[in-house]
Amino acid sequence: AQSVTQLGSHVSVSEGALVLLRCNYSSSVPPYLFWYVQYPNQGLQLLLKYTSAATLVKGINGFEAEFKKSETSFHLTKPSAHMSDAAEYFCAVGDSSNTGKLIFGQGTTLQVKP
Amino acid sequence: SQTIHQWPATLVQPVGSPLSLECTVEGTSNPNLYWYRQAAGRGLQLLFYSVGIGQISSEVPQNLSASRPQDRQFILSSKKLLLSDSGFYLCAWSVGVSGRYEQYFGPGTRLTVT
Repeated sequence: AQSVTQLGSHVSVSEGALVLLRCNYSSSVPPYLFWYVQYPNQGLQLLLKYTSAATLVKGINGFEAEFKKSETSFHLTKPSAHMSDAAEYFCAVGDSSNTGKLIFGQGTTLQVKP
Repeated sequence: SQTIHQWPATLVQPVGSPLSLECTVEGTSNPNLYWYRQAAGRGLQLLFYSVGIGQISSEVPQNLSASRPQDRQFILSSKKLLLSDSGFYLCAWSVGVSGRYEQYFGPGTRLTVT
């Protein structure tokens, strides 16, 4: 069975500081991995996805993530946090059962301090 | 381009009352459709998914049901709401059954059961 673990339910950074949100996956097959962002009272928006084309994936809003097979990780980073980045972030792995399901982590709330 | 709609945006219902939430997708054919729930302070819980008209799979036992009467319409229902049904309900769609496809989310419905 596949799973995703997001380390740290809350992360706080200062504006302008590096953002690092951690995601580790478990999968018996080559994984497809996704990061989503959710602003309060809104749906989820896709930030980026890894589908084996390149290990470093660039997404929207200046975010990127690096797939590391040896570490089974797919951490999300942004060099300089902006106040507008405050939101909840979800990591997900595509289910291998041909249902199109995504298996989500529990989410990480990012707080950005001025 | 594709869009996904959910309504209503907010709903306050008494315990024991019925429920009907609707989700429609525009701009694509034969999408996979999903219903999720987010309880306060918790992650995403997949409730139902559908790979075609009349094909519904349930992920968790509960007093909710789902139907797909048309290709791009997905309805979440209950005959009698419980307090524990309160939460933020999200509908999503994807283009295929492979785990490589991202899901696109609607704006959500905030349900409060009183």
